[in-house]
Amino acid sequence: DAKTTQPNSMESNEEEPVHLPCNHSTISGTDYIHWYRQLPSQGPEYVIHGLTSNVNNRMASLAIAEDRKSSTLILHRATLRDAAVYYCILRMPPGNMLTFGGGTRLMVKP
Amino acid sequence: EAGVVQSPRYKIIEKKQPVAFWCNPISGHNTLYWYRQNLGQGPELLIRYENEEAVDDSQLPKDRFSAERLKGVDSTLKIQPAELGDSAVYLCASSLGRGVNTEAFFGQGTRLTVV
Repeated sequence: DAKTTQPNSMESNEEEPVHLPCNHSTISGTDYIHWYRQLPSQGPEYVIHGLTSNVNNRMASLAIAEDRKSSTLILHRATLRDAAVYYCILRMPPGNMLTFGGGTRLMVKP
Repeated sequence: EAGVVQSPRYKIIEKKQPVAFWCNPISGHNTLYWYRQNLGQGPELLIRYENEEAVDDSQLPKDRFSAERLKGVDSTLKIQPAELGDSAVYLCASSLGRGVNTEAFFGQGTRLTVV
């Protein structure tokens, strides 16, 4: 499986934007970039995914580098409820496995 | 609509005892996953089902773990006998297919403590 690298932890202030980075230098042309997050005592939940273009949804934005070797999950205005572990995952055809790494623990300060 | 339902939420057993976890996926989802999550780590895939067929079970410790998905709907994961190292959260997830664009929905998990 292609590997992703994320910082172990990050801190943010409430109501400020948060940029969560992910490096995936061995990504292939058909690999999709997925982000999930896991709130305390909950199962992971889907956040967003993309292939080449930047993506926006109600939860977040995904900015993908032009060479696709890195991506950034953007939370436009962090709230205390956004404190979670954020996982960056590559899904590769044909198996399309959902393989989790260690993720980034985001702490949000009031 | 209800999400992925798992039971029980918590289970404490003595080592060498058997234990079973149950998962009811979202209606219509043909792909079902079982993951194990150790404290402080990301979830690790144990087995994936496509309908009633088990695929991608290379990480399932087959000497003590077994799983089934009768009629391609509900699934159970069993451990017999349990060992201290099996203490973890067991997560079930389902999705509508396994394509690269599909979203997986997770249950809240079952926290197993083996004493």
